[in-house]
Amino acid sequence: DAKTTQPPSMDCAEGRAANLPCNHSTISGNEYVYWYRQIHSQGPQYIIHGLKNNETNEMASLIITEDRKSSTLILPHATLRDTAVYYCIVRNSGSARQLTFGSGTQLTVLP
Amino acid sequence: NAGVTQTPKFRVLKTGQSMTLLCAQDMNHEYMYWYRQDPGMGLRLIHYSVGEGTTAKGEVPDGYNVSRLKKQNFLLGLESAAPSQTSVYFCASSSDRGLNIQYFGAGTRLSVL
Repeated sequence: DAKTTQPPSMDCAEGRAANLPCNHSTISGNEYVYWYRQIHSQGPQYIIHGLKNNETNEMASLIITEDRKSSTLILPHATLRDTAVYYCIVRNSGSARQLTFGSGTQLTVLP
Repeated sequence: NAGVTQTPKFRVLKTGQSMTLLCAQDMNHEYMYWYRQDPGMGLRLIHYSVGEGTTAKGEVPDGYNVSRLKKQNFLLGLESAAPSQTSVYFCASSSDRGLNIQYFGAGTRLSVL
C-alpha cells in the first residue's frame, strides 16, 4: 500500500466547506484512494473512494489530481457532527487484507 | 439495516478470565475482521476470515482465538485475559466482490484488571 501524508489537524467553521488534503506520491496505477473517518469512541466509517476521476456521494466529494499523487476530501457544508479523525488510505482493491490507518487528520468543526 | 453488530459493548475482566466477543453482520459479506485499537493509536488486525469455516492470523494474533462457524458471525475469544489486552475491539466485514470496503461495528470496550 502506498504511503500517505495528511496534516495532523484542521479547523473548519460550521456550515463552511472542509477541504482535507492527502499526499500519496508513490501511488501505483491500480491503487485506489479510500477515505474513512472515526468519530470519537465510534467505529471507523467509510466515506468515499476513487481511482482517477473525481467522485461525489451523499457524504462528500473526492478530488484526485491528474497525476494521482494527491487528493482532497471535501465536506461541502461541515456540521459539528463531522468532527472526527479522517483517514486517507491508498491500496489495491479486492482481497481481504488489513486496512492500515495512519495518523489521519483531526478535523474540528467550530460553531 | 443493522450492518455490523458487536456484543457486548463493555466488559471488565479479571486477569486470567476468559470471554468471547460476538460480531454479527447482515450484509451477506464473505470477509470478516477483528481489530484492536489502543488509546491514541491506529487499528491493528488480530484475525480475519475469508469465508465460513476459515480463519487467518493478522498482525497481532497472540492471546486470541477466532471461529467462523456461520457466515454471518465471527467470534473472538480470549482464553486467559491479560492487562495488555485492555483495548477497544472493532469488528468489520466486507464483500469479496469489488473494492473490499470494510464496514465496522461500534466496538467493544474491554478492561482487564
